[in-house]
Amino acid sequence: DTGVSQNPRHKITKRGQNVTFRCDPISEHNRLYWYRQTLGQGPEFLTYFQNEAQLEKSRLLSDRFSAERPKGSFSTLEIQRTEQGDSAMYLCASSGTSGNSYNEQFFGPGTRLTVL
Amino acid sequence: AQKITQTQPGMFVQEKEAVTLDCTYDTSDQSYGLFWYKQPSSGEMIFLIYQGSYDEQNATEGRYSLNFQKARKSANLVISASQLGDSAMYFCAMRRLRQGGKLIFGQGTELSVKP
Repeated sequence: DTGVSQNPRHKITKRGQNVTFRCDPISEHNRLYWYRQTLGQGPEFLTYFQNEAQLEKSRLLSDRFSAERPKGSFSTLEIQRTEQGDSAMYLCASSGTSGNSYNEQFFGPGTRLTVL
Repeated sequence: AQKITQTQPGMFVQEKEAVTLDCTYDTSDQSYGLFWYKQPSSGEMIFLIYQGSYDEQNATEGRYSLNFQKARKSANLVISASQLGDSAMYFCAMRRLRQGGKLIFGQGTELSVKP
């Protein structure tokens, strides 16, 4: 197990195009989180899954954003009709429900999106 | 609502010296966790240390310790014997200790270790 992986690592797109990112969590983790981080800021929560159920969505997640976790394993985050303000690092994290009581979130390397 | 405040945008420390990174938080929850993450220039968030709201002793992990003052709502990170590899962004975060709690992050402190 090599930890949380994200693909692609970098994405450059033109305004108005759709993009999709993938996150593969640590295999035994049933919780998966998406965060967005803009330059000079801390990560901001976007959405969270427990298994395949999307349990919480931030107000930051506009109608152009959609996330899925169809089989409770990997997750995809799609942004439709991208805008320049969507340029950011998109981070994925996963955590389990056993082991330590605080269920540490393990982060992936992120996908850096640049919208031209 | 939960909020994390990190008031030091940047800090410098001499190699081998100790440094304290400040973090204050605001929450109405009784049960919560406080976390520190390190983010090197590569971008990956690396978990450093955790403190639970009911923990009576300050958390320690190797060269990292968390100075938890519950009444003051502060959770400062202390790095002892700084190393050049400690140069990075450091984020304080918190979450409710219930199933699936999302992390709320501060704005971060950029630490630079001088040789």
